[in-house]
Amino acid sequence: ILNVEQSPQSLHVQEGDSTNFTCSFPSSNFYALHWYRWETAKSPEALFVMTLNGDEKKKGRISATLNTKEGYSYLYIKGSQPEDSATYLCAFSGSGYALNFGKGTSLLVTP
Amino acid sequence: DAGVIQSPRHEVTEMGQEVTLRCKPISGHNSLFWYRQTMMRGLELLIYFNNNVPIDDSGMPEDRFSAKMPNASFSTLKIQPSEPRDSAVYFCASSLRRIQETQYFGPGTRLLVL
Repeated sequence: ILNVEQSPQSLHVQEGDSTNFTCSFPSSNFYALHWYRWETAKSPEALFVMTLNGDEKKKGRISATLNTKEGYSYLYIKGSQPEDSATYLCAFSGSGYALNFGKGTSLLVTP
Repeated sequence: DAGVIQSPRHEVTEMGQEVTLRCKPISGHNSLFWYRQTMMRGLELLIYFNNNVPIDDSGMPEDRFSAKMPNASFSTLKIQPSEPRDSAVYFCASSLRRIQETQYFGPGTRLLVL
C-alpha cells in the first residue's frame, strides 16, 4: 500500500475566500498525480492529471501544482463559491501500480 | 458517450443472500476497477482488470467476494453470502489504456445488507 496523505481533512470557508489543500505521496517510482472532485451523492470526477515535476494545471478558479522530488501537490481554489463544496481527492500512481487514493479534503463553502 | 454504467443503483438485501453488481465500462477502455466506499475507510480499491484479465485482487476483502470480466464491455462483482458489514457504495471505474491513467467513475451502487 502506498501512503497518500491529504490535509486538512476538512475545511470550512466563506464565499469569496481563497483556499488550498495538500496532497503528499511517495517521491519514488512516480508516474502521475491526479486530483478528483467528489460531490455528495455523486461519483468522483477527474480535475487534473500531472506527470512532470513543476507541472501546473488550471481550470477556471481551480489550479494545482506538483513537486515530485519532495512528494507533494497543492490544490488552490481562488474566490471559493458554494458550488465548490465537495470532497477533493488526490490519487498517486507509480510505475506498475494503479491509482492510490487519499482520504480527501472535505470543503464546505458557505455564503 | 454514456459513461460508465452500473446496475443496480440501489440494492437492499438480507444477510446471507447473494448480491451481484454489474458494470459496463466506457467503450474502448481497457482497464476496469472496482472500489468500495465506506465512512471509515474511504475509497478502497478491490480489484482491477486490464484487457479483461484480473491484475490485482489483493483488495478483495475475503473469499465471499469475487469479480469477473467475461468481455471488454461487462464486469460483475459478486458477494456470496452477503453480511451487514458489506453495506457500502460500490463504484466501478474505467480508464483508456493503462492502469495509471485517469479513471472515469460510474454512479455507484448503494448496497444495504440487513
